[in-house]
Amino acid sequence: AQSVTQLDSQVPVFEEAPVELRCNYSSSVSVYLFWYVQYPNQGLQLLLKYLSGSTLVESINGFEAEFNKSQTSFHLRKPSVHISDTAEYFCAVRDFNAGGTSYGKLTFGQGTILTVHP
Amino acid sequence: KAGVTQTPRYLIKTRGQQVTLSCSPISGHRSVSWYQQTPGQGLQFLFEYFSETQRNKGNFPGRFSGRQFSNSRSEMNVSTLELGDSALYLCASSRLVRETQYFGPGTRLLVL
Repeated sequence: AQSVTQLDSQVPVFEEAPVELRCNYSSSVSVYLFWYVQYPNQGLQLLLKYLSGSTLVESINGFEAEFNKSQTSFHLRKPSVHISDTAEYFCAVRDFNAGGTSYGKLTFGQGTILTVHP
Repeated sequence: KAGVTQTPRYLIKTRGQQVTLSCSPISGHRSVSWYQQTPGQGLQFLFEYFSETQRNKGNFPGRFSGRQFSNSRSEMNVSTLELGDSALYLCASSRLVRETQYFGPGTRLLVL
């Protein structure tokens, strides 16, 4: 079964500093990769996704993630964070090669709480 | 276009009761998935429906069930509630099964 590991449960950072949230997934022939963000008491919002094509994907608010097939990673980066980026971030994988009940299932990592300090 | 809506947003029940949660997908979306989010277990997949058929199911007991109607709206039912069922239940919709899922705000269920 597919698994997703977010290597840091909490990441504190100062405003305007760069940040990287790490995500690794178990190997598969082809997967779709996502980052979702969850603000307090809200649902998940899609931040960015990799389906195919360019391995570097960007969001409208300055985040980017790079799909690295050889390292099975999809790390999220932002060169300069804002206070408003404080939230929990989830990496997720959809695997359409697994059989049985794992087919197409969206599997989430445990989440990384990003706290931006002034 | 309106997003995914879930009702009710908050719910308090007691052990042994049953509960039904509702999800209305984004217009034109035919796939609906349900997830349970708890501090200890994180986000766990419950089931996915497409065109009124359950396409996929997570590892939850039979007390958890769902259905989808012809207008793509979906309901999730939990019978004989246990304290451990307290969680945020999230619904997500996508146009087709293989497409990106968009989440609703969730229903927060507290079981006393």
